[in-house]
Amino acid sequence: DTGVSQDPRHKITKRGQNVTFRCDPISEHNRLYWYRQTLGQGPEFLTYFQNEAQLEKSRLLSDRFSAERPKGSFSTLEIQRTEQGDSAMYLCASSFPGPTNEKLFFGSGTQLSVL
Amino acid sequence: GQQVMQIPQYQHVQEGEDFTTYCNSSTTLSNIQWYKQRPGGHPVFLIQLVKSGEVKKQKRLTFQFGEAKKNSSLHITATQTTDVGTYFCSGDDKIIFGKGTRLHILP
Repeated sequence: DTGVSQDPRHKITKRGQNVTFRCDPISEHNRLYWYRQTLGQGPEFLTYFQNEAQLEKSRLLSDRFSAERPKGSFSTLEIQRTEQGDSAMYLCASSFPGPTNEKLFFGSGTQLSVL
Repeated sequence: GQQVMQIPQYQHVQEGEDFTTYCNSSTTLSNIQWYKQRPGGHPVFLIQLVKSGEVKKQKRLTFQFGEAKKNSSLHITATQTTDVGTYFCSGDDKIIFGKGTRLHILP
């Protein structure tokens, strides 16, 4: 158990619906990352927070995607007007910055299926 | 922008054989990380390399960072069925991951 929790584990939705995922990082970790992963591919960066500040967002990311981390603890990722191409595993990871070893701890992910 | 390429994409080995995967960056890295993802699981951190020419070992796994800090390798000696999974490298900002090398072990 890595300590990063994601909810829900699975989400099936119809095209055009909005979905929201939640990530609870390890409590002392101030950095939080969202990735998307499809079969046979590596994690694709979506966005990254340090505390409550969203410091980077992928330029490839549609404006239908938005993420928040209002109190610097848990984070939500919302996808509006879902499309079939949004079907993927959405992974959250957290880390605590250190001088030599900032490793990512990943959650188990939310598997999204858009019908 | 930074790109990280991994080769090979797939590798099938007999149990007991050695395995190596390579990671090549288009830019010089300040550090590189390796992760392992078991089938149906999530990526798990293995190691971070920081210094030019650095070599680190974890039991049967040997990690190396190139002198120019643009490439890295992971070598597994005498593979076991527990080594099955996909091995990813990641550049120093955690934003770019390679596509991974999927290791299959034939019993």
